[in-house]
Order: sequence, then C-alpha cells, then structure tokens
Amino acid sequence: AQSVTQLDSHVSVSEGTPVLLRCNYSSSYSPSLFWYVQHPNKGLQLLLKYTSAATLVKGINGFEAEFKKSETSFHLTKPSAHMSDAAEYFCVVSPLSNTGKLIFGQGTTLQVKP
Amino acid sequence: DSGVTQTPKHLITATGQRVTLRCSPRSGDLSVYWYQQSLDQGLQFLIQYYNGEERAKGNILERFSAQQFPDLHSELNLSSLELGDSALYFCASSVVTEAGYGYTFGSGTRLTVV
Repeated sequence: AQSVTQLDSHVSVSEGTPVLLRCNYSSSYSPSLFWYVQHPNKGLQLLLKYTSAATLVKGINGFEAEFKKSETSFHLTKPSAHMSDAAEYFCVVSPLSNTGKLIFGQGTTLQVKP
Repeated sequence: DSGVTQTPKHLITATGQRVTLRCSPRSGDLSVYWYQQSLDQGLQFLIQYYNGEERAKGNILERFSAQQFPDLHSELNLSSLELGDSALYFCASSVVTEAGYGYTFGSGTRLTVV
C-alpha cells in the first residue's frame, strides 16, 4: 500500500530564512510525488512534481524538492521565505500513473513571521 | 484562475437533504476527479471520470454518486446528508504547467450540513 507522511503539522519561520517541509513516502511502485500549496480559502495549486527524470525538482515561486530513494523522502525547501508563502502544504503520492487517485499527506501549515 | 470551475462555492443544507455539486474541467480535458477535504480525514480521493465513463473509485460512500455529461462537466450528488459530510469538495483536472504535469484543482465547494 502507498502512503505519505508529513513529519510536521506546523512549521514557523521568519521572513528571509530558509524553509524545510519534510515528507516521507511509502510506495511499492516507482512513485510520482507532488507538492501542492493551499492558501486560505483557495484551491490547491501545484508547486512541483517528481517523475524520476531528476532527483532535484525545481518548482514555482522558488521552491524545490529532492527525491531521496534511500531515505524514502521528498522534502520541500526554499532558501528564503516570503510572507506570501504562509499557507498549507501537502505532499502527495500517485501510486498509479494518471489515474488521479492521489494520496495526500495530512498537510503542514507554514507560518511566516515578519 | 485554474480553469477548473466549481459551483456553488458555498452550500448550507440540513441533515437528510440532497445536494448537487457541479464541476467544469479545464477546456479540452477529458478527466474529472472529485476529492473531499475534511478536518478528520484530510484530503481523500472520491472518484474519477474520463470522457463520460467512471475510471477509478476511492472512498466514496454509497449515498454519494457522480456522473460526467457529454459536454464533460461533472456533478457530484450527495444524498441523505449527515453532519459528518460537512467538508470542502474539490474537483480536479489534468494539466501541464510550468511545474510539470499534474492535477489542477478548482477552488472547491464548501458544504455545511446543519
């Protein structure tokens, strides 16, 4: 069975400092992994996706994630946080390609302090 | 604007009632996916349709049903509503963005059962 675990339910950083949101996955297949962001009262926006082409994936808004098979991790990072990054972030695994049957982590709320 | 349109944005109804949620996928996309986001269960996949046919099924209750019409819009029907059905219901469509291939979500319908 496939699963995804976000290790922190809440992360707080100061503006201008690095962001690290942690995600571990479990999959018997070679997984597709995603990070989505949800701003308050908004829909889910795709940040980036890993599909085995490269282990370091660059996304939108300066975010990137590194796939580490040995650690079954897909942590999301950003060098410098902006106030506008405050939102909820979801790590997602798609165990079967293109079926849309995405499995979501429980989410990490990112707080950015001025 | 993600290109995926959901109506209504908010819905308040009483227990035992029936409601219909509507989704129009991105222009030209044949797939529609429905997800439920609740506080206790997180984000869960409900069902997928592709060009009018059911493609995949997730944790969808028997009281819930969906269909996709020839013009590709989809409706999610929720009947005999219970308090626990209160949630945010998302519709998604497949898309290629600057972040890669992924699933674009509409802004959701917030259902409150009282």
